[in-house]
Amino acid sequence: AQKITQTQPGMFVQEKEAVTLDCTYDTSDPSYGLFWYKQPSSGEMIFLIYQGSYDQQNATEGRYSLNFQKARKSANLVISASQLGDSAMYFCAMREGSFGNEKLTFGTGTRLTIIP
Amino acid sequence: KAGVTQTPRYLIKTRGQQVTLSCSPISGHRSVSWYQQTPGQGLQFLFEYFSETQRNKGNFPGRFSGRQFSNSRSEMNVSTLELGDSALYLCASSLKTGEGNTEAFFGQGTRLTVV
Repeated sequence: AQKITQTQPGMFVQEKEAVTLDCTYDTSDPSYGLFWYKQPSSGEMIFLIYQGSYDQQNATEGRYSLNFQKARKSANLVISASQLGDSAMYFCAMREGSFGNEKLTFGTGTRLTIIP
Repeated sequence: KAGVTQTPRYLIKTRGQQVTLSCSPISGHRSVSWYQQTPGQGLQFLFEYFSETQRNKGNFPGRFSGRQFSNSRSEMNVSTLELGDSALYLCASSLKTGEGNTEAFFGQGTRLTVV
């Protein structure tokens, strides 16, 4: 079974609209972390937001928020007021366990295109 | 504060050659991980180093190796290059480990082309 599933290969969104990128995960470990990264065409992986499995509140970072639904094993990224510069690949990733494991497992990504 | 630095940014090598990629983590970060990104396989974990020791290894052949120095800088080596090794190689650094989940920051990557 896939540990990280991103079901939207591509999305087109009008500028200034909000967009939700889906991510579901699969783990039996009670301690884990969920990450979202943005990868522009230049290749660099830009860290956007992080949610720990024990965090009580949904993470927010500026225009980015993570809709964390633990029971559903869902960690969707919400981008408010989208901008042209948001056009990029977006990856959801998970790190399992809390000690001695820095390995990230990535989803297949969603290519987001913002339309002016 | 400087980010994660990977050198070189681009490399072209011939089949059968070997290559060494370098990664300097964010100052104070002690964990360095390497990933391979290809259109077909996506992002795959290669290995992770912490305090000069390899702690985790992905499912890659022994041609892929790495090391970490006392200043936390890491190198990755690929010997006997194959065409399929053409990829973007990304390095990530983390501040804390063993103290719960923490953020991981990536460098710009090294794009390796094997011809």
